[in-house]
Amino acid sequence: GDSVTQMEGPVTLSEEAFLTINCTYTATGYPSLFWYVQYPGEGLQLLLKATKADDKGSNKGFEATYRKETTSFHLEKGSVQVSDSAVYFCALDKLNSGYSTLTFGKGTMLLVSP
Amino acid sequence: DAGITQSPRHKVTETGTPVTLRCHQTENHRYMYWYRQDPGHGLRLIHYSYGVKDTDKGEVSDGYSVSRSKTEDFLLTLESATSSQTSVYFCAISDGAGEQFFGPGTRLTVL
Repeated sequence: GDSVTQMEGPVTLSEEAFLTINCTYTATGYPSLFWYVQYPGEGLQLLLKATKADDKGSNKGFEATYRKETTSFHLEKGSVQVSDSAVYFCALDKLNSGYSTLTFGKGTMLLVSP
Repeated sequence: DAGITQSPRHKVTETGTPVTLRCHQTENHRYMYWYRQDPGHGLRLIHYSYGVKDTDKGEVSDGYSVSRSKTEDFLLTLESATSSQTSVYFCAISDGAGEQFFGPGTRLTVL
């Protein structure tokens, strides 16, 4: 079946450091790929998405490129802030039957210190 | 923000009691989902709905039932709560375009 694998956390960084959170997937066909973010005590929010190979999703300084050849969708940010501390989830969606069915990775906690 | 509310936000109950969690949306989205979030497991789909009275099972549906009598409400029922159902439960909605919008969550503790 479909699956998403993320690097385990927590990832601990100092403010202004470069961030990479790795995500790889296993799926047949051509899934859409997502990064969701969960701030403490809140639900998940969509951070960015890509719907086809070589697409780059970007939002709030975060970027991820859909790499079909390596089945990856790594999240990057050039300079993290304390406010970026959260749990990040990679997910895929195959839109089977024409509607959303997300498969999530286990999440990666990011802790940014001043 | 998408109009999704969940109630209650926190609940403590005892093993063997029935529990119902409510998800209410004001977006008129067709699709609604219930997930549970547990450390080391990420989010796992319990049940979902693709229309009024149309529901289907997800990955971890055992011990749970759902109902959707109106577009805006999706109820999750634990028939007889067990300690393994202690979790944070999230409702999500979608218009089918691929993005899901999540509610604030319900923290359930089963003693």
